[in-house]
Amino acid sequence: QVQLVQSGAEVKKPGASVRISCKASGYTFTRNYMHWLRQAPGQGLEWMGIINPGDGDTYYSQRFRGRVTMTRDTSTSTLYMELSSLRSEDTAMYYCVRVESSGSYYVYWGQGTLVTVSS
Amino acid sequence: DIQMTQSPSTLSASVGDRVTITCRASQSISSWLAWYQQKPGKAPKLLIYKASSLESGVPSRFSGSGSGTEFTLTISSLQADDFATYYCQQYTDYSTFGQGTKVEIK
Repeated sequence: QVQLVQSGAEVKKPGASVRISCKASGYTFTRNYMHWLRQAPGQGLEWMGIINPGDGDTYYSQRFRGRVTMTRDTSTSTLYMELSSLRSEDTAMYYCVRVESSGSYYVYWGQGTLVTVSS
Repeated sequence: DIQMTQSPSTLSASVGDRVTITCRASQSISSWLAWYQQKPGKAPKLLIYKASSLESGVPSRFSGSGSGTEFTLTISSLQADDFATYYCQQYTDYSTFGQGTKVEIK
């Protein structure tokens, strides 16, 4: 069965960086694009960007361009999302999600990683 | 960027009620729209994709309709398990979500 297992919660100071991992299993890792989303406390869902695990190609939302880096390790079927220059507004739950072959909707979600930015 | 606007933001309803949530896109997205249900502390769950296709395992009381810029999610007879927040998502141009509709107990 498809599983996306994310790394644990993080507490960071303003200006720091955070790196979240997302380990995929139960399917061929390189066959499905992956997106990263985030959700601030009590708020809606925000799309951050996309990575093609096959070749590592990425495309980032304008809002995060310059601060976000998405990478993958095909040997371990793991994705990484690094966000730099953290500010309090980056406090949120971060999700990795798998894109389906028939469209960019999300059946499979990671469990989420809570990032708290606080001095 | 395509903007998605949901209405209402909050909806109060009773078990057994028919509930309709609307989602409007700032430009045509054909039928590239999905609906999700989210409960507190959980990741969202896919209900509907391609505007009207029911995801496997989702109860048939959920249905979706629309195309172009206007879409609806209907719950034909609200059940206790359906009190949650619902989001629409366009996926014709990467991804954008509506701001959510909270369905609460009346």
